Amino acid sequence: QKEVEQNSGPLSVPEGAIASLNCTYSDRGSQSFFWYRQYSGKSPELIMFIYSNGDKEDGRFTAQLNKASQYVSLLIRDSQPSDSATYLCAVSNAGGTSYGKLTFGQGTILTVHP
Amino acid sequence: DADVTQTPRNRITKTGKRIMLECSQTKGHDRMYWYRQDPGLGLQLIYYSFDVKDINKGEISDGYSVSRQAQAKFSLSLESAIPNQTALYFCATSDLPQEAFFGQGTRLTVV
Repeated sequence: QKEVEQNSGPLSVPEGAIASLNCTYSDRGSQSFFWYRQYSGKSPELIMFIYSNGDKEDGRFTAQLNKASQYVSLLIRDSQPSDSATYLCAVSNAGGTSYGKLTFGQGTILTVHP
Repeated sequence: DADVTQTPRNRITKTGKRIMLECSQTKGHDRMYWYRQDPGLGLQLIYYSFDVKDINKGEISDGYSVSRQAQAKFSLSLESAIPNQTALYFCATSDLPQEAFFGQGTRLTVV
């Protein structure tokens, strides 16, 4: 089982719709969770991070964390064509010798069509 | 100047050659990482280092080695390159629990 899993997609949504991206992780003690956006051929850039159960909103983006279910999601409201990219979920390990190790999922390709 | 700089940006090398990818950072972070990305895939962790004296294998370390020459420098070596090591390589730094900062990437082709 991979440590961090995402649906690879592609996920296609119409402009103005809500895009929902999901991620599960295997290390129950993980403490920090990140969503990165990566345009083709470019470096990943951070969109959101979340540490506590519940929702965290930043503009059109909402991150949701459920530690009991080991699940983290990203909602993008009013999706725009410029949101078309690969979205990477990342998890920071909690303890032991790998404390702070940053592990990524395989990414979900999002396409927003006009 | 970029906070995380990778050199070279592009490299074509022959099977069996030794190659080194270099990464330097001005963020002052202790943690540095090397990732590999294949087309359509996410980032796979090759090696990570939490300080100059601490180096750890990631999920795909076979065929790679690293050197942490200083807090700011972390190099990745392919001792004998093979075609399936053709990929996009990223160096990153972080200061837990904050975000990771990535270099521009090195596109490596092994022929």
